Amino acid sequence: KNEVEQSPQNLTAQEGEFITINCSYSVGISALHWLQQHPGGGIVSLFMLSSGKKKHGRLIATINIQEKHSSLHITASHPRDSAVYICAPRGGNQFYFGTGTSLTVIP
Amino acid sequence: KAGVTQTPRYLIKTRGQQVTLSCSPISGHRSVSWYQQTPGQGLQFLFEYFSETQRNKGNFPGRFSGRQFSNSRSEMNVSTLELGDSALYLCASSSSTGIGGGELFFGEGSRLTVL
Repeated sequence: KNEVEQSPQNLTAQEGEFITINCSYSVGISALHWLQQHPGGGIVSLFMLSSGKKKHGRLIATINIQEKHSSLHITASHPRDSAVYICAPRGGNQFYFGTGTSLTVIP
Repeated sequence: KAGVTQTPRYLIKTRGQQVTLSCSPISGHRSVSWYQQTPGQGLQFLFEYFSETQRNKGNFPGRFSGRQFSNSRSEMNVSTLELGDSALYLCASSSSTGIGGGELFFGEGSRLTVL
């Protein structure tokens, strides 16, 4: 049973393109995290959301609690954005994780 | 401000042995959580500690245990190692005390190989 569904699994974009990664979840949550993982393992937390929308530089994250859906947008994508992006809803006493979206941005 | 420090970074063990991994959180952070990452299962939540108390636990067998010390440093232990325990073990710290948690700051991880 997959509590979290992310799409797409893989994404290749040209530099400058607008990118959207989607996350749907089936559990009740108190917050949702978007994580970034570069090759080599290091994970960085990009956003923590419990409602609405947050923006940080070229990154925008939105969440619709009623529809149990969140999106991560990258505007003006750059090769340094190439990484795996992971959606992580937190519900009750558990963290759930999507399988990740592997993004490659080509110069 | 120093980040989250995990030691050791790499280790190799054989089946049946046990292993202890250490995590030093960012100064002032009292919440530490642990995760396992494998190519097959992805990221999975192990447990979370706050002020020396285990607050939450993921769906892992009792061979996986942890603790947190009064200085907020945390250790996790895996006993009777199995081949399937080979993974990257990550810890994260947070300054939040709330149920929803707060922003997570991850360490670089400890990569365990079980032979």
